[in-house]
Amino acid sequence: SQKIEQNSEALNIQEGKTATLTCNYTNYSPAYLQWYRQDPGRGPVFLLLIRENEKEKRKERLKVTFDTTLKQSLFHITASQPADSATYLCALAYSGTYKYIFGTGTRLKVLA
Amino acid sequence: NAGVTQTPKFQVLKTGQSMTLQCAQDMNHNSMYWYRQDPGMGLRLIYYSASEGTTDKGEVPNGYNVSRLNKREFSLRLESAAPSQTSVYFCASSERSLSGNTIYFGEGSWLTVV
Repeated sequence: SQKIEQNSEALNIQEGKTATLTCNYTNYSPAYLQWYRQDPGRGPVFLLLIRENEKEKRKERLKVTFDTTLKQSLFHITASQPADSATYLCALAYSGTYKYIFGTGTRLKVLA
Repeated sequence: NAGVTQTPKFQVLKTGQSMTLQCAQDMNHNSMYWYRQDPGMGLRLIYYSASEGTTDKGEVPNGYNVSRLNKREFSLRLESAAPSQTSVYFCASSERSLSGNTIYFGEGSWLTVV
């Protein structure tokens, strides 16, 4: 079955640096890959979607890459701020299905 | 905008009790979902409803039932609660159930079964 791997350990970085989070998956590549942000005690909030035929997607300080050869997506936050501290989830979606497979998330802490 | 609203926020149940989690969305979305989130397990789909009048099982449906009451509302029922159902439950909705759609989540319901 399909599995998603995100670093379970928290990532601590200094304010102003670029944070890079990794999402690896096994088996076949999804048609879509999404990234969500989740704050403690809250529901996930959608950030970005990238399709399998796209290499890179940007939104303000956020950038997502999708490498189907490596079976990996990287999520970058440039010029990180303490307000970016949260858990970030990746989710895979396959064409023609309802099913979204979520990773366990990586907790990011941006230090002032 | 209210988005996805779910109630209750917190609930403690005794083993064997039943309860219903309520969910409503005001975005006119066709599809609705119930997920549970457990430490180290990620979000897992319990049931979903692709459109009004339809429901289908997800990854972990055992011990749950759902009702799509109308386009806005999708409830999750635990008929006989078990400690293994202690979790955080999220209701969600999307415009359509096909992949590529943004999923909008509620704020979560924390359920403890003792």
